[in-house]
Amino acid sequence: DAGITQSPRHKVTETGTPVTLRCHQTENHRYMYWYRQDPGHGLRLIHYSYGVKDTDKGEVSDGYSVSRSKTEDFLLTLESATSSQTSVYFCAISEDSNYGYTFGSGTRLTVV
Amino acid sequence: AQSVTQLDSQVPVFEEAPVELRCNYSSSVSVYLFWYVQYPNQGLQLLLKYLSGSTLVKGINGFEAEFNKSQTSFHLRKPSVHISDTAEYFCAVSPPNTGNQFYFGTGTSLTVIP
Repeated sequence: DAGITQSPRHKVTETGTPVTLRCHQTENHRYMYWYRQDPGHGLRLIHYSYGVKDTDKGEVSDGYSVSRSKTEDFLLTLESATSSQTSVYFCAISEDSNYGYTFGSGTRLTVV
Repeated sequence: AQSVTQLDSQVPVFEEAPVELRCNYSSSVSVYLFWYVQYPNQGLQLLLKYLSGSTLVKGINGFEAEFNKSQTSFHLRKPSVHISDTAEYFCAVSPPNTGNQFYFGTGTSLTVIP
C-alpha cells in the first residue's frame, strides 16, 4: 500500500540464523504493528509500537524482538530462526483505531 | 480477552448469487468493527468499518455489513458477487483501552464459481 513498504518481500534462511525484517512508513503514524499470517490462524500480533522506543508484546512474541528508533521504521528480528517461524509477516500502521489499519504487502519468510 | 469468530472457513458461491460472511465477537463493551479483504499474494485492504450510528454500513465494491449489538455480530453481505470477489475476508474488532489493538478472525475464503 502507498505509504508503507516492507523489505524484503521474500526470504529463505537457515535454521539458527538471525533475520531482520523492515517496515518503513511515510505517513507519520504513531502506531506500528507486526503480524504473522498462518493457515487456520488468521493474523496474530507479534509486537507493536505506540511511539519511538515504545514497544509491547503481542500474542505470539516468543522468539521475536522489535526496535523502533525512528517514527518511520519498525524492525522485526528473529534472533535464531526456527522452522515454526516460516510464515507470511505483515506490517501495519495506524494513527487512530477510528481509521483502521493500513497494511504492507507482506514478507514471505521460509526457514529451512 | 477479545475473540472474533468467523463461522465459515470456506464459502463457495456461484457468480451473481448473493453471499453472507458471518462474524461474531465477544465483548460486553462498545467496539469498533471492521472487515478487510485480502486478494491472493497481497496485503489486507479495508472494506468497511462500523464506529457508531447507523447499524448498516456500506463499503467498497458493493459490500455492506450490519451491526447487531444484541447478537454481537457483524455479518458481511453482497447481493450479487463477481469472479473478482474471490479472496480471503477477515473480520476485526478494536476494543477501547487496548492501545489501538485489533483482533482478527481466522478468515473466510470466498470462492466465486463461474
